[in-house]
Amino acid sequence: EAGVAQSPRYKIIEKRQSVAFWCNPISGHATLYWYQQILGQGPKLLIQFQNNGVVDDSQLPKDRFSAERLKGVDSTLKIQPAKLEDSAVYLCASRQLAQNTGELFFGEGSRLTVL
Amino acid sequence: GEDVEQSLFLSVREGDSSVINCTYTDSSSTYLYWYKQEPGAGLQLLTYIFSNMDMKQDQRLTVLLNKKDKHLSLRIADTQTGDSAIYFCAETEDSGYSTLTFGKGTMLLVSP
Repeated sequence: EAGVAQSPRYKIIEKRQSVAFWCNPISGHATLYWYQQILGQGPKLLIQFQNNGVVDDSQLPKDRFSAERLKGVDSTLKIQPAKLEDSAVYLCASRQLAQNTGELFFGEGSRLTVL
Repeated sequence: GEDVEQSLFLSVREGDSSVINCTYTDSSSTYLYWYKQEPGAGLQLLTYIFSNMDMKQDQRLTVLLNKKDKHLSLRIADTQTGDSAIYFCAETEDSGYSTLTFGKGTMLLVSP
């Protein structure tokens, strides 16, 4: 079974530029998450999708971050314009609906450096 | 809101046991997890425990849950250098729709 795929793995941009990250979850997983992991910290939820609908985006900085999952499968996360404090690893995760263990399956992440 | 706290660093010698501790504040937590993150990689589920359990053993891993004190621990027996990684404690209210809340992670360093 293929895992959660993310791209690009690494991205370096200057502040005020824009960047987009892509995620393809495990086939059949209805729930998709984007987490932000700043160096030395645990993952922090940015947005949660259920199929193509948003379940929770309360911690998404909506003035600069946007995310979509138009067909309920893959998803993109965009940052425009980027700030220095956006430097982090952006992790995508997915899970099956009503899975007994509640396990999230994570991708390897997209590391963003903002100069 | 929910909060999950962990000690930041643990150093042990190969062959010793490691114990990583975690405390959480959400009394509604029903599922608690330990994830492992190796350098440059995503998080991988190690083990989990339901809140109606006190202990769970899985090969070299033992999870202890003290629900009264909201304390979770992960014991790794016979720690190996390959166990060096960051370990995250996480909790959720249910396995369906709720998201996971993670601690800041404990870096485990195993020396030969």
